[in-house]
Amino acid sequence: AQSVTQLDSHVSVSEGTPVLLRCNYSSSYSPSLFWYVQHPNKGLQLLLKYTSAATLVKGINGFEAEFKKSETSFHLTKPSAHMSDAAEYFCVVTHSGGGADGLTFGKGTHLIIQP
Amino acid sequence: DSGVTQTPKHLITATGQRVTLRCSPRSGDLSVYWYQQSLDQGLQFLIQYYNGEERAKGNILERFSAQQFPDLHSELNLSSLELGDSALYFCASKPGQGGGELFFGEGSRLTVL
Repeated sequence: AQSVTQLDSHVSVSEGTPVLLRCNYSSSYSPSLFWYVQHPNKGLQLLLKYTSAATLVKGINGFEAEFKKSETSFHLTKPSAHMSDAAEYFCVVTHSGGGADGLTFGKGTHLIIQP
Repeated sequence: DSGVTQTPKHLITATGQRVTLRCSPRSGDLSVYWYQQSLDQGLQFLIQYYNGEERAKGNILERFSAQQFPDLHSELNLSSLELGDSALYFCASKPGQGGGELFFGEGSRLTVL
């Protein structure tokens, strides 16, 4: 069994300040973890993924995430927020067994960027 | 551009009607997933196909059905539509059945009046 918890439903930051979106997971297997971004009325786009290689993962648009097994966390960060980062962000956990049952989505975090 | 194509992008229909949503996966991807996204329910997994066969079912209503054709495109059929079926319907694909990321289409927005 596995689950993912996105600890904040909404996060608001000022443009130019750091972004932190929190994600905790549980998994009975060695997990793979992903962050997706969804802009309004768009599909989900992969930001980055962790698949048991380096624990610090760099993604697109300056985002990165660190896999911390001891804390069962995979928080998403960005040093400096841009207005275009305003979107919904989803944390996803899966395992090598795959299949639909192997994919678990968080409920999403809505990122608001204040000018 | 993810390579996953969904049609139509927008659809407005009345209660009791039936609609078909179409998905063309990325070239070479054998697995197709359907998701429903609404404000109150969030992102809900509906059903998964792999190379033409149903592999997993999620929270799919009996009024809904899907299939994946030999050319790997997939269709989601929604019948006896209700107001609560108004949502964004996403298709996603990936190469196989194992772990790995999904590639999402831009969705079909269904409005039931």
